[in-house]
Amino acid sequence: QKEVEQNSGPLSVPEGAIASLNCTYSDRGSQSFFWYRQYSGKSPELIMSIYSNGDKEDGRFTAQLNKASQYVSLLIRDSQPSDSATYLCAVNSNAGNNRKLIWGLGTSLAVNP
Amino acid sequence: NAGVTQTPKFQVLKTGQSMTLQCAQDMNHNSMYWYRQDPGMGLRLIYYSASEGTTDKGEVPNGYNVSRLNKREFSLRLESAAPSQTSVYFCASSEFYEQFFGPGTRLTVL
Repeated sequence: QKEVEQNSGPLSVPEGAIASLNCTYSDRGSQSFFWYRQYSGKSPELIMSIYSNGDKEDGRFTAQLNKASQYVSLLIRDSQPSDSATYLCAVNSNAGNNRKLIWGLGTSLAVNP
Repeated sequence: NAGVTQTPKFQVLKTGQSMTLQCAQDMNHNSMYWYRQDPGMGLRLIYYSASEGTTDKGEVPNGYNVSRLNKREFSLRLESAAPSQTSVYFCASSEFYEQFFGPGTRLTVL
């Protein structure tokens, strides 16, 4: 059973701090990795994609990928109360010819003013 | 562009009733998906359609049927609703692996 694991949280950080969210995955053949943000009562929204080892930065967000350790993380710099949400990690399924993703259960982030 | 749209936004059914959830996308994506999301269970794939004319079962297909009407539209049907199908249903579409979600349908089965 291919899996994606995340700490459920809640992760609580003060406003202005760096929030670090982590995800591990079991399928060594996975090549595409995604972070989604989901506000309470809303649908998941794609915020970062990463495909190569290393860091990818987009504004206050940095995604980090280490395929050897099967680990992907999301850093949020200068955290704001508006960043309070559940963050979902998703990894492509390497089984068969399809576009399916394997989803983690999400990490709840609370940014305190 | 509206992206992915879903109707209805909310629905209450009685056990045994049937209904169809509608989904449409205007991004010209080939692949479309139906998920359900329950507290503590995360997103679970019900059915997906890799391209127009094809559909395949996902992780939790029992009690559901789907129709890929054309490239834009992918509907989910509950033939005889059960309380266990109370959930939030999301439709998504993709061209490659990045999936884009509709706003969801909150379904309650009494």
